[in-house]
Amino acid sequence: GQNIDQPTEMTATEGAIVQINCTYQTSGFNGLFWYQQHAGEAPTFLSYNVLDGLEEKGRFSSFLSRSKGYSYLLLKELQMKDSASYLCAAMDSNYQLIWGAGTKLIIKP
Amino acid sequence: GAVVSQHPSWVICKSGTSVKIECRSLDFQATTMFWYRQFPKQSLMLMATSNEGSKATYEQGVEKDKFLINHASLTLSTLTVTSAHPEDSSFYICSARTGGMETQYFGPGTRLLVL
Repeated sequence: GQNIDQPTEMTATEGAIVQINCTYQTSGFNGLFWYQQHAGEAPTFLSYNVLDGLEEKGRFSSFLSRSKGYSYLLLKELQMKDSASYLCAAMDSNYQLIWGAGTKLIIKP
Repeated sequence: GAVVSQHPSWVICKSGTSVKIECRSLDFQATTMFWYRQFPKQSLMLMATSNEGSKATYEQGVEKDKFLINHASLTLSTLTVTSAHPEDSSFYICSARTGGMETQYFGPGTRLLVL
């Protein structure tokens, strides 16, 4: 079956770095997405990886290892506004997104 | 670019009435649109996938006669919740993508409260 695993909740300190891991199992693979969702709002697109390696975009970076079925989202210089849920989603061979349940990130001062 | 709008953002209705939610891609042609539902503190649940000009594909457990989806143009899809009941109260979110673009862009969502 198809499955996405990510931690339910993480806590980090303002100004610090946090890494949110995601493992996936899909029928075929056409890329890995990360979305940010603030409470009460719709998800917003953060990153897309289809090749192995690290993609850096400002304070956020996303890494993919296709052979390990593994990705992580790295958030640096954490700000209070980064408190949100982070959704990992893998695209299968039919170009359908398989969603993880999301990781709720709590930032403390 | 890649802006998706939804209307209305909030709906409160009486049980038994029908509610229509619109999803528009503002600056690109959406060959595929997706409708999701999200209950409080739960993950996104895909309800259906619609391709422009063809019938929507519904996920298992989603009643197609209750949740009517129309994707008549490349910029507009509608979801109609027919004979809404309190258990249909939820956050309904659409997303859209165009051919050759893997990323789905989400609308801001519609909160439905059925009394």
